[in-house]
Amino acid sequence: DTEVTQTPKHLVMGMTNKKSLKCEQHMGHRAMYWYKQKAKKPPELMFVYSYEKLSINESVPSRFSPECPNSSLLNLHLHALQPEDSALYLCASSQDGRGEKLFFGSGTQLSVL
Amino acid sequence: QKEVEQDPGPLSVPEGAIVSLNCTYSNSAFQYFMWYRQYSRKGPELLMYTYSSGNKEDGRFTAQVDKSSKYISLFIRDSQPSDSATYLCVIESNTGKLIFGQGTTLQVKP
Repeated sequence: DTEVTQTPKHLVMGMTNKKSLKCEQHMGHRAMYWYKQKAKKPPELMFVYSYEKLSINESVPSRFSPECPNSSLLNLHLHALQPEDSALYLCASSQDGRGEKLFFGSGTQLSVL
Repeated sequence: QKEVEQDPGPLSVPEGAIVSLNCTYSNSAFQYFMWYRQYSRKGPELLMYTYSSGNKEDGRFTAQVDKSSKYISLFIRDSQPSDSATYLCVIESNTGKLIFGQGTTLQVKP
């Protein structure tokens, strides 16, 4: 299984809502990532978990809160988002966190109204 | 100067053409070079992974790294409409962080 599964595929939320994005992989990878991608732009790194510990936070606003319950699961909790946060949110995993050979999920297309 | 520069295109070619996609980079210490393909509304998928200089071939795809010129290329032979996508060159920095190019949008017309 070389798949990274993300749910939901689409999400529409208001600025006062709380929602969560979920990501799962069963490749035995020990590093998991959240990226944000705006239209016609490359992905931008948000967070990296390595061996279930947060190793990188790219100065992401606190309205985004990551969580790694175990080595196969990654969540991104969303609260009080702004319309400019609308984007494709991508989860990825890699063997050990060196960043090489990332496997990406299909993403969650988020719209904030 | 950006660490990785990639022409965003769009690039339009007829089916069967040879496609050349290119990136330049600024840091001669970079060692790991990748090409990802991204279809519309999907996540990027790894196409090619190259360490240091030289060529690597996989089917219709050839990745080339010229470290003396700090130039990387992806060639697609016998291009197909299914190759229509955005191609991202990605370089691993010395800290392990991935640096993405802007992506080149390719359209292969039947």
